[in-house]
Amino acid sequence: DAKTTQPPSMDCAEGRAANLPCNHSTISGNEYVYWYRQIHSQGPQYIIHGLKNNETNEMASLIITEDRKSSTLILPHATLRDTAVYYCIVRRRLHYGGSQGNLIFGKGTKLSVKP
Amino acid sequence: GAVVSQHPSWVICKSGTSVKIECRSLDFQATTMFWYRQFPKQSLMLMATSNEGSKATYEQGVEKDKFLINHASLTLSTLTVTSAHPEDSSFYICSAAGRLAANTGELFFGEGSRLTVL
Repeated sequence: DAKTTQPPSMDCAEGRAANLPCNHSTISGNEYVYWYRQIHSQGPQYIIHGLKNNETNEMASLIITEDRKSSTLILPHATLRDTAVYYCIVRRRLHYGGSQGNLIFGKGTKLSVKP
Repeated sequence: GAVVSQHPSWVICKSGTSVKIECRSLDFQATTMFWYRQFPKQSLMLMATSNEGSKATYEQGVEKDKFLINHASLTLSTLTVTSAHPEDSSFYICSAAGRLAANTGELFFGEGSRLTVL
């Protein structure tokens, strides 16, 4: 699976949009971009994923560049509860019953939302 | 979304004892479960992959005789830390993959279990 690069930390003001970048220049054509976050002392939480097109759900938006070598996770209105470590992970889609479905976590970006 | 539950959420034990951590998928069948370990201020590291009804596959450097994994049903996997020592103190997290994950590619994580060995 392709490797990702993220800034180690970012700050964001409460109520403002948080834009978290991720570089994945070696991504393959069949690899997806997944975002998870981990709030302190909790298990990781799925946020969103995408292949080529931009995606949006109730939590966030994912913007993937046309060449797919980088992406940005956008939290439109950050709250204090969004303070967490955000992980950008690139991998192939899991197949049912497959044992290659584990996620390889990098160091992620520690997002601090400040009042 | 799908729910994965771990128990206990925290445990303190004496050195030399064994501790069992359970991971349950509450609303879906988990054909595959993954066990991770996370030391303070570090990222998650995969320990092993368990498939229902077969032996677990351990990552390099993880002692299979020390970290016993059993995945006897489609909704339950257990991790037993045998003869625990203080260096085994860590945050243990499981994740589960099932039919839903096959459609979306996402994995579902438990809340984690914090083990402290005195």
